[in-house]
Amino acid sequence: KNEVEQSPQNLTAQEGEFITINCSYSVGISALHWLQQHPGGGIVSLFMLSSGKKKHGRLIATINIQEKHSSLHITASHPRDSAVYICAVRSYGGATNKLIFGTGTLLAVQP
Amino acid sequence: GAGVSQSPSNKVTEKGKDVELRCDPISGHTALYWYRQSLGQGLEFLIYFQGNSAPDKSGLPSDRFSAERTGGSVSTLTIQRTQQEDSAVYLCASSLGQFNEQFFGPGTRLTVL
Repeated sequence: KNEVEQSPQNLTAQEGEFITINCSYSVGISALHWLQQHPGGGIVSLFMLSSGKKKHGRLIATINIQEKHSSLHITASHPRDSAVYICAVRSYGGATNKLIFGTGTLLAVQP
Repeated sequence: GAGVSQSPSNKVTEKGKDVELRCDPISGHTALYWYRQSLGQGLEFLIYFQGNSAPDKSGLPSDRFSAERTGGSVSTLTIQRTQQEDSAVYLCASSLGQFNEQFFGPGTRLTVL
């Protein structure tokens, strides 16, 4: 079992729909990251959070430390949101700041 | 620009050859990471540098892999005697400090024939 699990693996939505991508993890963490990777493109960090909720434009990320779960929401989705969304956690303790990655969610938003 | 840069963007090599991949982190970032993304696989951690501390090499898959960070800035990832399973996108990231947001470079796509 992976330490970081994402669901769904693939998601197709119509433009304008509200989208939720989920991430569950099994290790103690100090922070959780949501990353975006466009086809053939680089990786962009969307959020880094350790508690509560963060909002940036149409994107909202929440985390529940007790339940070891995070969600990424996209409101009023647009075709340009089509990308792979990756959840990654920084495990708690130790001197290393390495990230443990989920396998990603491939999102396709159709016009 | 002020982002993380990597070179080359693409590298095709023959099995058994050595390759060097370069990463220029954002100026002033003390932490630098190398990750690998294989086709159909998720991202995996390779190595981490933080300031003058000894690097965390726990993610390197074999002793054919090594990395250096000179002067606390530029880093080079070296793969000796490349194998076909080394084919992947190698990503570099840097952060201001140990617990800050990581900024990723565009990656180097390595193809071993």
